[in-house]
Amino acid sequence: NAGVTQTPKFRILKIGQSMTLQCAQDMNHNYMYWYRQDPGMGLKLIYYSVGAGITDKGEVPNGYNVSRSTTEDFPLRLELAAPSQTSVYFCASNYPGGLFDEQFFGPGTRLTVL
Amino acid sequence: GDSVTQMEGPVTLSEEAFLTINCTYTATGYPSLFWYVQYPGEGLQLLLKATKADDKGSNKGFEATYRKETTSFHLEKGSVQVSDSAVYFCALIPPNTGNQFYFGTGTSLTVIP
Repeated sequence: NAGVTQTPKFRILKIGQSMTLQCAQDMNHNYMYWYRQDPGMGLKLIYYSVGAGITDKGEVPNGYNVSRSTTEDFPLRLELAAPSQTSVYFCASNYPGGLFDEQFFGPGTRLTVL
Repeated sequence: GDSVTQMEGPVTLSEEAFLTINCTYTATGYPSLFWYVQYPGEGLQLLLKATKADDKGSNKGFEATYRKETTSFHLEKGSVQVSDSAVYFCALIPPNTGNQFYFGTGTSLTVIP
């Protein structure tokens, strides 16, 4: 099992550019999540999905979009990048209610918007 | 609402010192409680968990006990090593949801030889 994988690992964007952060998991988890982690801060939930075709907003969704066409993939789209979106982005997945309901995290994508 | 309050850092300890990182929570019912660890440049990894009152989670010499009466889940280790240097996050899942994790702000630990 590769677990949760994220690409790219690093990216620098100019203000106003757009990009998609990729996330995939091979554990057949139905729930997937996107978080951002700002320096010295905890994690804030951007969006989450409870299954293919179903997504919902978290605490800080503005400036982002997501889609979930398959169980495995949960891409995060940034439109019109702004300096405030400079952060480390983590994708996570789990299977709530199962024996292991903890979330499994990817290695993160470090994004800088200049 | 549900939340986690975590001891602020950074914490600096000498090798073999005793570690305590405080965590208290606010939640209705009996949430599941977790400690995650984040090593430099990596994602979060589950360190230990407890799912009901008085449960003790343990892993790699770390322990935490679910205390309902004090709504706490403090992380402890008897003798820290340099390799324990990381950021530690306390987190909870409210009961009967499974989809909403609440994380603390993290406590940075540096262990010096």
